[in-house]
Amino acid sequence: QVQLVQSGAEVKKPGASVDVSCKASGYTFTHYYIHWVRQAPGQGLEWMGWVRPTSGLTNLAQQFQGRVTMVRDTSTDTAYMQLSSLTFHDTAVYYCARGTMGAIDYWGQGTLVTVSS
Amino acid sequence: QSALTQPPSASGTPGQRVTIPCFGSRSNIGSNTVTWYQQLPGTAPKVLIYNDNQRPSGVSDRFSGSKSDTSASLAISGLQSEDEADYYCAAWDDSPNGVLFGGGTKLTVL
Repeated sequence: QVQLVQSGAEVKKPGASVDVSCKASGYTFTHYYIHWVRQAPGQGLEWMGWVRPTSGLTNLAQQFQGRVTMVRDTSTDTAYMQLSSLTFHDTAVYYCARGTMGAIDYWGQGTLVTVSS
Repeated sequence: QSALTQPPSASGTPGQRVTIPCFGSRSNIGSNTVTWYQQLPGTAPKVLIYNDNQRPSGVSDRFSGSKSDTSASLAISGLQSEDEADYYCAAWDDSPNGVLFGGGTKLTVL
């Protein structure tokens, strides 16, 4: 069955960076995009961007350009997202999700990132 | 690009039929398919409806989706207490060439 297993919760100070990993299994990793979506406490879903596993090409939502890096490792079927220059507003659950250039179907369990001084 | 528009809340009594609308524009709902997600507290979203009106296996037929022009809707019939959750619509948007989500609708079963 399709599974996306993410790395554990993180606590970071303002100005720091955070790395979140997402290991895929149960399907051919290179056949689907990996999207990253975040959800601040009590808020809705916010799409951050996608990475195309075959080429490593990425497309980021405008508000994250310059601050987010998305990469993938096809040897381990793992995607990574790095968010830099963290502020308190970046406190959220970060999800990786499988999808196409059309929709998202399977989601990871989420990774809570807390920014605290 | 602004999010798709959903009402922040909806409610109904057990057995009732509830409809949640989702409004977009030509660049998203008007030209791409709509997906609906259900999110229970503390869990990741789960696909309820894809390709506007298709249900994944395992999803109850009490859930149905429809789309017209630049709007879509999710209907839940025979409302049950377990349907209390947040519901999100989503569609691809040609700019930013990514996914646009609705703001979410919190469904309460009275």
